Amino acid sequence: KAGVTQTPRYLIKTRGQQVTLSCSPISGHRSVSWYQQTPGQGLQFLFEYFSETQRNKGNFPGRFSGRQFSNSRSEMNVSTLELGDSALYLCASSVGSGTHFEQYFGPGTRLTVT
Amino acid sequence: ILNVEQSPQSLHVQEGDSTNFTCSFPSSNFYALHWYRWETAKSPEALFVMTLNGDEKKKGRISATLNTKEGYSYLYIKGSQPEDSATYLCALGGATNKLIFGTGTLLAVQP
Repeated sequence: KAGVTQTPRYLIKTRGQQVTLSCSPISGHRSVSWYQQTPGQGLQFLFEYFSETQRNKGNFPGRFSGRQFSNSRSEMNVSTLELGDSALYLCASSVGSGTHFEQYFGPGTRLTVT
Repeated sequence: ILNVEQSPQSLHVQEGDSTNFTCSFPSSNFYALHWYRWETAKSPEALFVMTLNGDEKKKGRISATLNTKEGYSYLYIKGSQPEDSATYLCALGGATNKLIFGTGTLLAVQP
């Protein structure tokens, strides 16, 4: 079974621009979560999508948004990029919930904002 | 705001040493504790999901224990090998699928 894939792997953008990252979950997984990792910070939860609906949301500004398509693929968009948005963005697909929750991560997209 | 803390921040050991590190979390309303291993240039890989107080899980030379009453989990590596070098992350899981991660322990095993 193919793992979680993310595209692109690396991206350089300028302040003020917007960016879209893509994630394809493991086949059969309907839940996709997005995380941000910056130096010195742990993985910070952005949001989770399940069956095309945002089910959970972290504490990020409205410039961060996402969506999920009927095939469970998900995109994350960041508008009006700031230098502080430079980070590794990880996508994860999951099965189960609560105490039976298993999550599998993709390789990440490294975003650099200049 | 839930806070998950890991210590130490980094650890350097020699090949063959056994080592352990700690994950601390609020003990109230505990649901599940996840451990991940994250090697450089790879994706985080799930190691254990622990839910019951007193749980002990093992995977090869790696094991973990859980104390939900006092809010901590230990991860042990017996006879560390260079391929164990990675960042070890713990995360608190709740009723939703939102995981709250600690900042990780970076383990470097010298051959």
